[in-house]
Amino acid sequence: AQTVTQSQPEMSVQEAETVTLSCTYDTSESDYYLFWYKQPPSRQMILVIRQEAYKQQNATENRFSVNFQKAAKSFSLKISDSQLGDAAMYFCAFAGAGSYQLTFGKGTKLSVIP
Amino acid sequence: NAGVTQTPKFQVLKTGQSMTLQCAQDMNHEYMSWYRQDPGMGLRLIHYSVGAGITDQGEVPNGYNVSRSTTEDFPLRLLSAAPSQTSVYFCASSRQPYNSPLHFGNGTRLTVT
Repeated sequence: AQTVTQSQPEMSVQEAETVTLSCTYDTSESDYYLFWYKQPPSRQMILVIRQEAYKQQNATENRFSVNFQKAAKSFSLKISDSQLGDAAMYFCAFAGAGSYQLTFGKGTKLSVIP
Repeated sequence: NAGVTQTPKFQVLKTGQSMTLQCAQDMNHEYMSWYRQDPGMGLRLIHYSVGAGITDQGEVPNGYNVSRSTTEDFPLRLLSAAPSQTSVYFCASSRQPYNSPLHFGNGTRLTVT
């Protein structure tokens, strides 16, 4: 079974600064997908970014980017120019290609300091 | 564009009572799933379905039943509620679970006393 580990239960960042959230995973599969989801206080789960394991290029979505290190099984999320609206729980998630199960980490609570 | 609709938003049950959490999606997604979210535990998969008439268990299926009679609806049933089932429940759907983003409902906060 796959496991996803987020080692930082809580983090904080100054507004306009950059922060990196860590995620590691354990799998024996070679083809899989990785995701970061955001959950603001409203409770709504929102997809932030997605990475396909067979792509070497790191995914980027505006101020959000990932550092995907396949050999190290690491998938960190970098948030640049942090905004107050970025304050949320962030979940890292893994899905094996062809799998019907998405495995989530336990989450990192990000606070943004004005 | 409704997306994924969950009802109710909040529910309080007494131990032993039964109830059904409703989930409907209007995106014609084949894949639907139920997760529970507990503090410090992330989201854990309860049951999922890959199409009408097809369901399977996830990581924490005990105490829950599901059925999928239509593409749109995927209800979650608690037959005899227990305090351990106090949680926030999310329904989610996608075209495919592994390479398509999940679309989540707004969640149901369930308290079992």
